[in-house]
Amino acid sequence: NAGVTQTPKFQVLKTGQSMTLQCAQDMNHEYMSWYRQDPGMGLRLIHYSVGAGITDQGEVPNGYNVSRSTTEDFPLRLLSAAPSQTSVYFCASRYRDRVVEQYFGPGTRLTVT
Amino acid sequence: GQQVMQIPQYQHVQEGEDFTTYCNSSTTLSNIQWYKQRPGGHPVFLIQLVKSGEVKKQKRLTFQFGEAKKNSSLHITATQTTDVGTYFCAGPDSGNTGKLIFGQGTTLQVKP
Repeated sequence: NAGVTQTPKFQVLKTGQSMTLQCAQDMNHEYMSWYRQDPGMGLRLIHYSVGAGITDQGEVPNGYNVSRSTTEDFPLRLLSAAPSQTSVYFCASRYRDRVVEQYFGPGTRLTVT
Repeated sequence: GQQVMQIPQYQHVQEGEDFTTYCNSSTTLSNIQWYKQRPGGHPVFLIQLVKSGEVKKQKRLTFQFGEAKKNSSLHITATQTTDVGTYFCAGPDSGNTGKLIFGQGTTLQVKP
């Protein structure tokens, strides 16, 4: 199993550009989520999904879109990048109905200039 | 809204000293999880506590869940340089959405 994979590892964007961060998992997990990590702020939830076709907002959803067309994939779209979106982004997955550990991807380090 | 707070935010210790981080929730938790993130890495699950007053050990790490299930602690005995990283606690959202609410983390530095 590859676990949770994320691409790209690093990205530099100019203000106003759009892009999609990719996330995939091969563990058949129903629950997937996106976090951003900023110094001193811990892990803040952006969007999450409890299964294919179902998504919901987390703590800091503004400026981001998600979709979940398959169980495996959960891409995060930045609509019009802003310097405030400079951060490290983690995708995570786990089983939905069991209280079990969450698996994180390796992260995408995004810089918006 | 529901909050999970961790203290301290940073801790510097000499190798061999003990270390403790504390986690407090604004609501009663059904369970609490702990994660470790090495510098430049991603969070990795360490353990989950479910029962009131539960204590679990992993080698030099001791995890406790409070009697009221609103607080938890992680204690490391005789720290080593391999313990360096950020430790997060996380508890489930009280609204039963399945979301995990993370604390801000405690970053541990160990001087050899």
